[in-house]
Amino acid sequence: EDQVTQSPEALRLQEGESSSLNCSYTVSGLRGLFWYRQDPGKGPEFLFTLYSAGEEKEKERLKATLTKKESFLHITAPKPEDSATYLCAVRGTGANNLFFGTGTRLTVIP
Amino acid sequence: GAGVSQSPRYKVAKRGQDVALRCDPISGHVSLFWYQQALGQGPEFLTYFQNEAQLDKSGLPSDRFFAERPEGSVSTLKIQRTQQEDSAVYLCASSLAGRNTIYFGEGSWLTVV
Repeated sequence: EDQVTQSPEALRLQEGESSSLNCSYTVSGLRGLFWYRQDPGKGPEFLFTLYSAGEEKEKERLKATLTKKESFLHITAPKPEDSATYLCAVRGTGANNLFFGTGTRLTVIP
Repeated sequence: GAGVSQSPRYKVAKRGQDVALRCDPISGHVSLFWYQQALGQGPEFLTYFQNEAQLDKSGLPSDRFFAERPEGSVSTLKIQRTQQEDSAVYLCASSLAGRNTIYFGEGSWLTVV
């Protein structure tokens, strides 16, 4: 059975204080690991897709990496506007839908 | 359209009432998904369409939940005889076929009182 565990559940950072969010996963045949950002009252907004161990992708202050067991979302010098819930999801072999974790709620304090 | 459009954005239903939630996917997107998101949780899969065919409905929590996409574009999620535990955000998402990225709408917030 697919499993996605995100940690920490919540994270408070000072503006400029870099950190990483973790997503540990178990899936039968990974066909993609996805990161989404969700603001309060909004739907998830797509950030990245990673397909194989060793792959990395970057967007502004965010960088996602992937190993065979986990993915990290690194946030460099965060700003208050980076405050949101970050969701990790996987798609396994034979599946069309995504299986989500419960998210990490990030707060960046000015 | 430019993005996935959902309506209504907010719905308050009395317990026992039927509700219908509409989703208009991104133009040209073959795949359409419905998810349910409880407060503080990640989205949970309900059902999946490829064009007009409902290929997976394994996530629908009970036979009170029904989804359709008769012409392969707009979809409706219907909940009959709503219960308090149905209160959640219902997210619709769409994608091109295959392993393409899934894009979400803003969600329909359902509160059952």
